[in-house]
Amino acid sequence: DAGVTQSPTHLIKTRGQQVTLRCSPKSGHDTVSWYQQALGQGPQFIFQYYEEEERQRGNFPDRFSGHQFPNYSSELNVNALLLGDSALYLCASSLAAGGLFRNEQFFGPGTRLTVL
Amino acid sequence: DAKTTQPNSMESNEEEPVHLPCNHSTISGTDYIHWYRQLPSQGPEYVIHGLTSNVNNRMASLAIAEDRKSSTLILHRATLRDAAVYYCILRRLTGGGNKLTFGTGTQLKVEL
Repeated sequence: DAGVTQSPTHLIKTRGQQVTLRCSPKSGHDTVSWYQQALGQGPQFIFQYYEEEERQRGNFPDRFSGHQFPNYSSELNVNALLLGDSALYLCASSLAAGGLFRNEQFFGPGTRLTVL
Repeated sequence: DAKTTQPNSMESNEEEPVHLPCNHSTISGTDYIHWYRQLPSQGPEYVIHGLTSNVNNRMASLAIAEDRKSSTLILHRATLRDAAVYYCILRRLTGGGNKLTFGTGTQLKVEL
């Protein structure tokens, strides 16, 4: 059973560019969350998708947007990249279980984004 | 979100028990206590969670104080593979989602 997968593993972009990161949830999961982890810090919640809608959002600007597809996979898009966007981007999936969101989250290995 | 306080780092010897403390004095009655850990170069992984009673699973035990203002994650026999950052997180059960609010966690070092 494949766990959460993310692509690409590493990415280098320049300031002002746009980037798209992809995530496939663990089999049977229907909820996807995205987190940003700067070096030496804990992950920071960006947003969560369930039933193809953004359900919760952290304190991130509108440059960060996402999408969830009917197969539950998800994309994170970041526009107008800044140097400060350099981080590890983690995707996590879980099972909403009727919208109660009781279950733990399973994390992928992350995408390391470097902005030059 | 209610905040948690953890020591920045702890050290242990292999094969010995480890007690990782967490203070959460502003916890509310509906907040669950979750523990995740993050091994080097990996995403976080779920360890255990509880509400009021102590909990055990194959990875660890969670001891929750009677007033719920603190908790302790117990690794019964630490191994080198347990070296990781351990995060104590409070999560309120709502129908709106299950976001996790991470702090900086406790870096656990395990030595031979």
